[in-house]
Amino acid sequence: QVHLQESGPGLVKSSQTLSLTCTVSGASVTSSGHYCSWIRYRPGKGLEWIGYIYYSGTTYYNPSLESRVSISLDTSKNQFSLELTAPTAADTAVYHCARVRRDSTSWQYFENWGQGTPVTVSS
Amino acid sequence: QAVLSQPPSASGTPGQRVTISCSGTTSNVGSNTLNWIQFAPGTAPRLLIYGYDQRPSGVPDRFSASKSGTSASLAISGLQSEDEADYYCATWDDSLNTWVFGGGTKVTV
Repeated sequence: QVHLQESGPGLVKSSQTLSLTCTVSGASVTSSGHYCSWIRYRPGKGLEWIGYIYYSGTTYYNPSLESRVSISLDTSKNQFSLELTAPTAADTAVYHCARVRRDSTSWQYFENWGQGTPVTVSS
Repeated sequence: QAVLSQPPSASGTPGQRVTISCSGTTSNVGSNTLNWIQFAPGTAPRLLIYGYDQRPSGVPDRFSASKSGTSASLAISGLQSEDEADYYCATWDDSLNTWVFGGGTKVTV
């Protein structure tokens, strides 16, 4: 059974960096054919894909957020992290981590999800 | 404004069949396979359908999906009270170079 759990501050100032961690159990963050992803849900805006990191370390980001986002792996702790610089109130959201599988047909799918953690950005 | 269009709500009585539509363009739904994801209160989101109509292990065959051109749909047959949740479609957009989602459909039983 694969389990993902997000952690991090629930309140972030706009002068800080929004930093979240996803701890994975039951699977390795370096499993072949898997991406580790972040997605957020903003009230009134819906779901938004932030980006993901492939097991090899290659990153892919949403072009609308690319200049402010960084996703990294910590293989020693079986975790992956999100950093979002210069956050504003528009970044207030529930942040979910997820594992995306790329299978032999090249289909990609959001195989496992974390329950999500709410983050509020204040000035 | 979500890139993929879904009806905001759908409802049915226990045992009925409910269908949720997802409409996009040639750069997303028309070019790539969809994920259908269930967001139920108090639980982690769950993948229901991927590929052409593949269900992960543990997802009952009451859930099925289809696609034609730039439109897709998720069907829930034999509706149960536990199916009350929000349902989202998602796929890759070749023009935007990002995953895109529908606005979500709230299913009431």
